Amino acid sequence: EPEVTQTPSHQVTQMGQEVILRCVPISNHLYFYWYRQILGQKVEFLVSFYNNEISEKSEIFDDQFSVERPDGSNFTLKIRSTKLEDSAMYFCASRMDGVNTEAFFGQGTRLTVV
Amino acid sequence: AQSVTQPDIHITVSEGASLELRCNYSYGATPYLFWYVQSPGQGLQLLLKYFSGDTLVQGIKGFEAEFKRSQSSFNLRKPSVHWSDAAEYFCAVGPSLGSGTYKYIFGTGTRLKVLA
Repeated sequence: EPEVTQTPSHQVTQMGQEVILRCVPISNHLYFYWYRQILGQKVEFLVSFYNNEISEKSEIFDDQFSVERPDGSNFTLKIRSTKLEDSAMYFCASRMDGVNTEAFFGQGTRLTVV
Repeated sequence: AQSVTQPDIHITVSEGASLELRCNYSYGATPYLFWYVQSPGQGLQLLLKYFSGDTLVQGIKGFEAEFKRSQSSFNLRKPSVHWSDAAEYFCAVGPSLGSGTYKYIFGTGTRLKVLA
């Protein structure tokens, strides 16, 4: 069964460093998402991406964050200068075109900023 | 604004007992509703979804959910809980035609503990 894959599964980084989280969405999907979940808290929407541009973003997704689809398969989230409060599980998701579709989530990348 | 509420933060049931997890939504358009499950340290797995039609939907692992428009609810049920069902359960509402959004909105989750 096709699945969304994320790498790495766990990343530790120093405060102020840049990190790139990588995702390979399901191949025929057209909408891509990043969500985050701070430990013990709710799953929060960061950004959606469609047709090579951001379609929607939350207030969390400030100038420190960026997304890119550098080739036909990868979808990345970059955090330019990490802060302690960026420590969270980051989930990538994708879905097919159309409105009657569910999002498929990856296993997540646990980001720890020290 | 769209929102999803899961009133129960924690629920504890005995193995073999029945389960109902509550979910209420606030959504201007026709809602597309989902339940996801998250085992510790794992990703989000889709249990079931409701788009239209029969208001009682069946999912994986023996779960079902009932959509009640009059109550703005989409409660998850299982007749007999297994120890392996211990996890966190998230209700979510997804983008629908005319909603003006692309995002899925999640509730705060209900953590299920199963007693042997």
